[in-house]
Amino acid sequence: KNEVEQSPQNLTAQEGEFITINCSYSVGISALHWLQQHPGGGIVSLFMLSSGKKKHGRLIATINIQEKHSSLHITASHPRDSAVYICAVGLGLFGNEKLTFGTGTRLTIIP
Amino acid sequence: DTGVSQNPRHKITKRGQNVTFRCDPISEHNRLYWYRQTLGQGPEFLTYFQNEAQLEKSRLLSDRFSAERPKGSFSTLEIQRTEQGDSAMYLCASSYDWGGEAFFGQGTRLTVV
Repeated sequence: KNEVEQSPQNLTAQEGEFITINCSYSVGISALHWLQQHPGGGIVSLFMLSSGKKKHGRLIATINIQEKHSSLHITASHPRDSAVYICAVGLGLFGNEKLTFGTGTRLTIIP
Repeated sequence: DTGVSQNPRHKITKRGQNVTFRCDPISEHNRLYWYRQTLGQGPEFLTYFQNEAQLEKSRLLSDRFSAERPKGSFSTLEIQRTEQGDSAMYLCASSYDWGGEAFFGQGTRLTVV
């Protein structure tokens, strides 16, 4: 069993829909990261969080430490949001030393 | 600073050849990480440096792999006697040593034929 599990693996939605991607992990962590990967490989960090909720534009990330679960939400989705969204957990002191990644959720937003 | 830079972006090599990749991190960042990503999978940790010191290596990093960061700035990852199973995207990231988000480069895609 992977230490980091994401669901769904693939998600297709219409433009404007509210999107939720889930991440569950099985170990104690220092921080959880949500990342976005576009075709071609580049990875962009969206959020790093260790408790509660963070918001950036149309993106919201939440984490429940007791339940070992995090969600990434996208409001008013747009075709440019189409990408692979990856959840990763940091186990070291500062939460970013040695990330363990999920396999990603491929999101496709249809105009 | 334009972010984390990796070179080359693509490398095709014959099995058995040696290859070397370079990563230039964000200049103020003293931590540097190497990850490997195979098709359809999430990245896997290979190794990381704080300044010039290599602090941890994954079991994935066989003795054919070596990474260096000689002056605590750029880093190189060398693979000797490449095998087809080495075909992957090699990602570099950097961060401050007190934490914070890691910033990733565009990756080097290696194809071993």
